[in-house]
Amino acid sequence: ETGVTQTPRHLVMGMTNKKSLKCEQHLGHNAMYWYKQSAKKPLELMFVYNFKEQTENNSVPSRFSPECPNSSHLFLHLHTLQPEDSALYLCASTQGDTGELFFGEGSRLTVL
Amino acid sequence: GQNIDQPTEMTATEGAIVQINCTYQTSGFNGLFWYQQHAGEAPTFLSYNVLDGLEEKGRFSSFLSRSKGYSYLLLKELQMKDSASYLCAVLDSNYQLIWGAGTKLIIKP
Repeated sequence: ETGVTQTPRHLVMGMTNKKSLKCEQHLGHNAMYWYKQSAKKPLELMFVYNFKEQTENNSVPSRFSPECPNSSHLFLHLHTLQPEDSALYLCASTQGDTGELFFGEGSRLTVL
Repeated sequence: GQNIDQPTEMTATEGAIVQINCTYQTSGFNGLFWYQQHAGEAPTFLSYNVLDGLEEKGRFSSFLSRSKGYSYLLLKELQMKDSASYLCAVLDSNYQLIWGAGTKLIIKP
């Protein structure tokens, strides 16, 4: 098993759809993150969970809704998205405040 | 505001040496990271510098000058598989990672 697994790898959805992205980490880490990666832009931190508690929400629109049922699983629920939300969504995990993140391969989202 | 600057794209020749620069202005400093990201893949950790100087790891080296707010990643004996994006990130005083936009490195035969 790879360290951080994301599904689906690719997702195409209409603006009225509801879908979810899933992330699972097998590293025993206590913190999990959602990042948005757009072309030629820095990684944008969306949400952070430490020990299942949300510790960061970087002014993300409510059409993105995170869920962290336990320290190993993280979801990003999507509804009524906009075309500008099309991007690569990366999940990452870490232990403590080391800053060394372990990333999943991302979910490439296209909103039509 | 906080800012990380790195070149958008660089091109180098197989077997040569390339230096990717990163300058930063952040609220505090708790270390600088370099990550490598191949197209369609996850970013992976390359190096971490918190003290001034050069850290060498095989063909890759990373340098830091805290007084100048400057780092570089040096890649020697370039191979085609080194074609990737290289991301610079700084851990600020709140232990938040501040990211650059990445440098796309193209290696030509």
